[in-house]
Amino acid sequence: NAGVMQNPRHLVRRRGQEARLRCSPMKGHSHVYWYRQLPEEGLKFMVYLQKENIIDESGMPKERFSAEFPKEGPSILRIQQVVRGDSAAYFCASSPGEIDYEQYFGPGTRLTVT
Amino acid sequence: GENVEQHPSTLSVQEGDSAVIKCTYSDSASNYFPWYKQELGKRPQLIIDIRSNVGEKKDQRIAVTLNKTAKHFSLHITETQPEDSAVYFCAASLGGRRALTFGSGTRLQVQP
Repeated sequence: NAGVMQNPRHLVRRRGQEARLRCSPMKGHSHVYWYRQLPEEGLKFMVYLQKENIIDESGMPKERFSAEFPKEGPSILRIQQVVRGDSAAYFCASSPGEIDYEQYFGPGTRLTVT
Repeated sequence: GENVEQHPSTLSVQEGDSAVIKCTYSDSASNYFPWYKQELGKRPQLIIDIRSNVGEKKDQRIAVTLNKTAKHFSLHITETQPEDSAVYFCAASLGGRRALTFGSGTRLQVQP
């Protein structure tokens, strides 16, 4: 019973490049959340998606960041024209459905912008 | 604004002692309060949670209490062991939203 999967685990990008982070939820989970964690800090909510729908993007920066969760395939968090301040660990979590609030986290993608 | 405050930021206890971490939240409409344990370089791990219609929940050495009137909730770890050493985060679904707002974390060190 695989847990939440994320890839890549580590990603190095130069300033101005694009970063694509992937998340496959736990089997049977249809809700996906993305969080960002800066070094020595807590997790900050970015976006909440269900299949083909963005439900809550109140934590997402207005520019350069986008997220999707297509009908088939993983959820993708995309960061365009990365800057040094984007360096962080990006965690994806999933939860089962409408009445279950428990969120289970993936191993994270550690993005380093050089 | 909506936030979750967590105290203390660091906590050192002797093995076998109890540890208590406290959090307060701002929105009375919040209805779900999980606690996560995060070891260095690892994912946050859900260890216990509580909903707003329950005042206390226990799972072996771990318990969580919720005071809705005062808008605070606490994590209690009894008979601490060195493997309990980690950063612990409280969180809340503020305003009943599914998104979690996290506290700033408590670094727990259990001295053998």
